[in-house]
Parts: sequence; C-alpha cells; structure tokens
Amino acid sequence: DTGVSQNPRHKITKRGQNVTFRCDPISEHNRLYWYRQTLGQGPEFLTYFQNEAQLEKSRLLSDRFSAERPKGSFSTLEIQRTEQGDSAMYLCASSLAEIRRGVNSYNEQFFGPGTRLTVL
Amino acid sequence: GQQLNQSPQSMFIQEGEDVSMNCTSSSIFNTWLWYKQDPGEGPVLLIALYKAGELTSNGRLTAQFGITRKDSFLNISASIPSDVGIYFCAGPKTSYDKVIFGPGTSLSVIP
Repeated sequence: DTGVSQNPRHKITKRGQNVTFRCDPISEHNRLYWYRQTLGQGPEFLTYFQNEAQLEKSRLLSDRFSAERPKGSFSTLEIQRTEQGDSAMYLCASSLAEIRRGVNSYNEQFFGPGTRLTVL
Repeated sequence: GQQLNQSPQSMFIQEGEDVSMNCTSSSIFNTWLWYKQDPGEGPVLLIALYKAGELTSNGRLTAQFGITRKDSFLNISASIPSDVGIYFCAGPKTSYDKVIFGPGTSLSVIP
C-alpha cells in the first residue's frame, strides 16, 4: 500500500499523559499537513511542512503541541499533558508541490486514515 | 476568519434517487474542492473546480463553481449504497494549499 499511513489508529489516554502520533506520507511527497477533526466538523488545519521545515502553525496548536519532520519524510505530532478537549481525530495529509503554470491549480492532498485520540 | 457553510447537514434518501447539496462561503474562493469521507477513513478528493461558472463531472457526480465565487454545489445522480459518507466542500486559501473545510453533509442511502 503506497498511501499515507498513520499510527496508531486509536489511542486512549488519561488526562495529563503525553501522546505521540506518527504519519508516513506518500514517498516523494514534499509537503505534509496535520489536521484535527472533531465530531460533526470538517478537518481543521494545524500545521504544515515543506520537506523538513515547519512553515506554519495554526493558533489551534497550543504550546502543548509539537510536530516534527526531521528528515523530510515521516512526521510526528506530540501532545503533552493531554486534556479532554484534545479528544479528536488527527489527520495527516501529504502532497507533491509542483510549479504552477498560470491557471489556478491544487496540489491534491492525500489523507491518511487518522489517529483517533480519546482523553479520559 | 473564512467560514464555509454546508446544507443540508444530513440527508436520508432512497437508493436510486438524485442528491443535491451546496456550500456557501463568507469570502471568495479561487478553487473549490469536494471531498468525501467514509467512516473511519480520511477524506478523499472527488472534484476540484478552478473557474467561476465551471461545471465538472466525475462519473455520477457533478459539481459547479458559483459565479460569485462564494458558493458551489454537488449533485449525485442515481445514488447507490456506497455513496454513504460525509461530503465536505473545501478550498485552499494559501500558496501552500492550507485547506479550509466546511462542516460536511452526511449522506445515508436506504437500499
């Protein structure tokens, strides 16, 4: 399977614990995104990497959240001192940024299956 | 900030019926996207629209980019059980494709 993979698929943790999620993008994709999705809502942008550089972080990403993409391939998202409000689906997506020629275009983001976090 | 609204919030239809759902925005989008999310999976891109007034089809799906650039609609013809899922309208808002998603329309198809 050459799609985006995420591990673990489910994580149940107690409030105050730290958790770490991993995302393996499609190989050769240079852009990687993290989104958070709560029940009944669409995904919300959290952060974005171009290769190993983290170029934007949403205001949703508090100081307890940190993301890395050390070699420009897989990425990790860590949440420290989890709170019940952190319970959500965390989605990873990747895309291959290409030079756009004139007309609007969209470098399709391919999403992984997500990691569902439950904080008790 | 930018906000997308989708209607209806949910739909229950009989297999074989046509479906129509729409999306409106408080701001202009230069590209409209329609994604579908199956239970337990990530969203999958169905259709991308790049020009105001554009009508694009993908099999039984047809989507249109509104003239005002603040709305879009998606039609599904002759629905089948595998059409069940949540449909999101979305749009990229930066040069690096930060995507803004609507809240989704949940579709249930009764066999």
